[in-house]
Amino acid sequence: ILNVEQSPQSLHVQEGDSTNFTCSFPSSNFYALHWYRWETAKSPEALFVMTLNGDEKKKGRISATLNTKEGYSYLYIKGSQPEDSATYLCAFLTGTASKLTFGTGTRLQVTL
Amino acid sequence: EAQVTQNPRYLITVTGKKLTVTCSQNMNHEYMSWYRQDPGLGLRQIYYSMNVEVTDKGDVPEGYKVSRKEKRNFPLILESPSPNQTSLYFCASSPKPISYEQYFGPGTRLTVT
Repeated sequence: ILNVEQSPQSLHVQEGDSTNFTCSFPSSNFYALHWYRWETAKSPEALFVMTLNGDEKKKGRISATLNTKEGYSYLYIKGSQPEDSATYLCAFLTGTASKLTFGTGTRLQVTL
Repeated sequence: EAQVTQNPRYLITVTGKKLTVTCSQNMNHEYMSWYRQDPGLGLRQIYYSMNVEVTDKGDVPEGYKVSRKEKRNFPLILESPSPNQTSLYFCASSPKPISYEQYFGPGTRLTVT
C-alpha cells in the first residue's frame, strides 16, 4: 500500500487568513494527483487533478501546485472564509495502478 | 442531473445477514469504485471496475464482493457482515481513465451489530 501523507492534520484559522497545506506522495512512477474538498455530512468533491510536474491550478481563492520530482503538492486558500471549512483530501495515482490512494486529509476550520 | 446514487443511505444490520448496497451513475462513466471511510484513516478502496465485467481488488477487499453487469450499476455485496465492517461507504465513478476526477455518491453509513 502506497503512503500518502497530509499535513497538518487539522488547522484552525480566522476569516481572512491565507493558509496552505501539504500532500506528500512517492516520487517514483507518478501518474496523477487529485485534490478533493469534503464538507461534513456531504460527499467529497473534486477540486483539481494534476498530472504535470510544475503544474499550477486555480479555482477562485483556492490554488494548488505540484512537484512530482520531490513528491509533494501544496494547496493554498487565499482569504479564508467560513464556507471553506472542510476536510481537504489528496489522492495519488501511480502509472501502473488503476486505483487512487488517499491521504487522511487536512481538516480546516475557519472562524469569524 | 449528473449524479451517483447509493442506497440505502443508512443501514443497521446484524452479523451474518447478507446485504447489498447499490450504486448507480448516469454519466456513462466507465470506471467505478467503492471506498470505506473509518476514523483516523483515509478513504480506502475496496474494489474497482474499469468497465463492464471487469473488476479488481482494491486495498481492503476482504469480506466484500462486487459485480459489474451493466455500465451504470456497481453493487457492493457483504455476504456475511461482521462488526469490523461498520463504516461509511462511498461509491464513486469517473470517465476513463482514472486520472479524471472522481464523482462520489452521498455515502452509506452501515452499522453491523
